[in-house]
Amino acid sequence: QSVLTQPPSVSAAPGQKVTISCSGSSSNIGNNYVSWYQHLPGTAPKLLIYDNNKRPSGIPDRFSGSKSGTSATLGITGLQTGDEADYYCGTWDSSLSALVFGGGTKLTVL
Amino acid sequence: EVQLVESGGGLVKPGGSLRLSCAASGFTFSNYNMNWVRQAPGKGLEWVSSISSSSSYIYYADSVEGRFTISRDNAKNSLYLQMNSLRAEDTAVYYCTRGYSSSYFDYWGQGTLVTVSS
Repeated sequence: QSVLTQPPSVSAAPGQKVTISCSGSSSNIGNNYVSWYQHLPGTAPKLLIYDNNKRPSGIPDRFSGSKSGTSATLGITGLQTGDEADYYCGTWDSSLSALVFGGGTKLTVL
Repeated sequence: EVQLVESGGGLVKPGGSLRLSCAASGFTFSNYNMNWVRQAPGKGLEWVSSISSSSSYIYYADSVEGRFTISRDNAKNSLYLQMNSLRAEDTAVYYCTRGYSSSYFDYWGQGTLVTVSS
């Protein structure tokens, strides 16, 4: 059971928009920055969003992040078949003194 | 170009030991926190351990505390993970990652597979 809760799966059609939620508590999301990662099978995970809403160089603005209270959200617009992957949120948990990830969300682009 | 290359994975019996290495290049290694993250077959990402740039701060997941030891050699641009008393549930791909104080990982290696089985 992950400390951060994500939906197991989401799906949408090409060109559409999807959001992935990440729910936590005051000891993690509520008081620390959230990051998001994209993981395609057999490859290294890729950082998509850091510090709640910042994009690393090279990440298109189709990807966005937001945080409110103890929840965070990853948004992806203009969905492409290449976006099919597992997505993870992550943050530091001050009570556990540990970095925690969500259980992951599998995105299917129909 | 930032590169992180893990090595040292393989098949080991329960109770055995293994030492993973991560060779870093393309950045000033001694300026960055480093980490190990793993993914068991069919499971999600799991943070394993972190070490600060000067080795002053070290953290472990509860699942490996007391069995795993993270270390680094800034002169050799290398990160290590000594894994002892290995269990079947330690079977996973282990990733070396570069980290920031706000707890995100901007570069990941390709991973090395550790299989614990008799």
